[in-house]
Amino acid sequence: DAKTTQPPSMDCAEGRAANLPCNHSTISGNEYVYWYRQIHSQGPQYIIHGLKNNETNEMASLIITEDRKSSTLILPHATLRDTAVYYCIVRVHNNAGNMLTFGGGTRLMVKP
Amino acid sequence: SQTIHQWPATLVQPVGSPLSLECTVEGTSNPNLYWYRQAAGRGLQLLFYSVGIGQISSEVPQNLSASRPQDRQFILSSKKLLLSDSGFYLCAWSEQANQPQHFGDGTRLSIL
Repeated sequence: DAKTTQPPSMDCAEGRAANLPCNHSTISGNEYVYWYRQIHSQGPQYIIHGLKNNETNEMASLIITEDRKSSTLILPHATLRDTAVYYCIVRVHNNAGNMLTFGGGTRLMVKP
Repeated sequence: SQTIHQWPATLVQPVGSPLSLECTVEGTSNPNLYWYRQAAGRGLQLLFYSVGIGQISSEVPQNLSASRPQDRQFILSSKKLLLSDSGFYLCAWSEQANQPQHFGDGTRLSIL
């Protein structure tokens, strides 16, 4: 799976949009971009994923650049409960183990 | 809806003792099941995955083993724990290999 690069930490004011960037310049054509988050002492929580098109669900929006070398996760109205480590992952959809490889992630701190 | 349960939430064991961590999934059939370990301050490491009853694949050599005695039950075991086995153990499931993985709340294992 391709490597991803994320800033180690970010702050966001409560109620404002949180934009979390991710670089994946070596992504290949059949790799999807996934986002998970992990709140302290809990298991990772799936947020969203996409291949080429922008995606939106009840939790967030995912914006993928046209060349697919980077993406941005957007939390439209961040709350204090969104404080967590956010992981950007790229992976192939195949049957061989289909593991998730988490890097360091971005520690998002939402402040009142 | 689907749910995943892991227990116990925390465990303190002496070196050399056996281990059994259990994970069950509800609300789905024939899921893919995964065991991960997360060391403090580090990303996830895939330990085992299973695509069906009795089918276990190991990703890293170690003194741990896994079993899937029933469709929605996944067990992580060890005959003799080492100090290096300390960590946060996470069970996850997915409908298929090309679907997102969903995690339990984890077991925090401390070896003394």
